[in-house]
Amino acid sequence: AQKVTQAQTEISVVEKEDVTLDCVYETRDTTYYLFWYKQPPSGELVFLIRRNSFDEQNEISGRYSWNFQKSTSSFNFTITASQVVDSAVYFCALIGGSQGNLIFGKGTKLSVKP
Amino acid sequence: ETGVTQTPRHLVMGMTNKKSLKCEQHLGHNAMYWYKQSAKKPLELMFVYSLEERVENNSVPSRFSPECPNSSHLFLHLHTLQPEDSALYLCASSRTTAAGTDTQYFGPGTRLTVL
Repeated sequence: AQKVTQAQTEISVVEKEDVTLDCVYETRDTTYYLFWYKQPPSGELVFLIRRNSFDEQNEISGRYSWNFQKSTSSFNFTITASQVVDSAVYFCALIGGSQGNLIFGKGTKLSVKP
Repeated sequence: ETGVTQTPRHLVMGMTNKKSLKCEQHLGHNAMYWYKQSAKKPLELMFVYSLEERVENNSVPSRFSPECPNSSHLFLHLHTLQPEDSALYLCASSRTTAAGTDTQYFGPGTRLTVL
């Protein structure tokens, strides 16, 4: 079975704070792909990153960084110096194999207060 | 226009109405998807089309009827819906259905309310 767990339902921070969104996944596939999407209030899911199971190198993109650890089946997302525009629901997702379907977590709602 | 567009953005319908949701992608992709996003539940895949052929139907009730006339357009025809069908319906597209290597790009969704 494949599953994505985002244990944090809602997080509230003050602008400029760093925040980490947790994602734990389960899959029996040796090849799999992990994703993060952002859903602002407008509703559109915005693609942030895709990572395959063979690449454990952490990635940084501006204020965003991702920490992929196969040993703990986690793919955590950190926003540094958060801004009000970061307020959204963030989804972690998994595909097992190359032809599987996207399995989404329930999402974490991030509120960044000025 | 660019990306994936969906119309209408909001829809209110009675249980006896018939309506259709439209999705259009301007990315040159060959695969299109319908997802349902209900409150407090993970996104649920409903249908997958590849080159205008349906390749997946995830046990969706027959009151939802998809149509893909070409690789750029996807419709979801709705009839005799139930109040529990109220949700955000998201359309997505990708280059192929090799979803691991081909990222899915989403539209803004249609917020459906069934009275």
